[in-house]
Amino acid sequence: DADVTQTPRNRITKTGKRIMLECSQTKGHDRMYWYRQDPGLGLRLIYYSFDVKDINKGEISDGYSVSRQAQAKFSLSLESAIPNQTALYFCATSAQYTGELFFGEGSRLTVL
Amino acid sequence: RKEVEQDPGPFNVPEGATVAFNCTYSNSASQSFFWYRQDCRKEPKLLMSVYSSGNEDGRFTAQLNRASQYISLLIRDSKLSDSATYLCVDSGGYQKVTFGTGTKLQVIP
Repeated sequence: DADVTQTPRNRITKTGKRIMLECSQTKGHDRMYWYRQDPGLGLRLIYYSFDVKDINKGEISDGYSVSRQAQAKFSLSLESAIPNQTALYFCATSAQYTGELFFGEGSRLTVL
Repeated sequence: RKEVEQDPGPFNVPEGATVAFNCTYSNSASQSFFWYRQDCRKEPKLLMSVYSSGNEDGRFTAQLNRASQYISLLIRDSKLSDSATYLCVDSGGYQKVTFGTGTKLQVIP
């Protein structure tokens, strides 16, 4: 089983719909991240959390929100999806002071 | 200036060739860097860490040049299976991790 699990893996939705992407991890890491990847733009950080009570905005947080329900769970919400949020979304975890990220397999979101 | 910059490529090289990628970074205070490999439509996976003394793992060598603020990845004896996108990462002292946009490598038979 994967150490970092994302659900759903693929989702097609319509403009204006609320979408939640979920991430769970079994690595025991405190730090969790949400990235989006677009062709030619690389990975861009949306939100990150260093522990259950800590939530921080990344470089492109507008239009997104997150919830850290437990050490192992970090969900990303799009309150009202728009087409330019069509992207590949990755959840990642890291241990403190290592810098190495472990990624989930990605969630491909298409907003029509 | 972008925090981490990479040549997007693609680098098309024949099997058995040696290929090198550079990555420049803007944060002079950064202490450690990584190279990740990403296959098409897959998640990035750690390839190598890069510290002050550099790092070598089989056919792969990573170097850090602090004076010029760049890191490099050298791949010797390229294999078809090395075809992927290589991402340079500045760990930013572990508070903020910044990715480059990646360099695409295509190894040709």
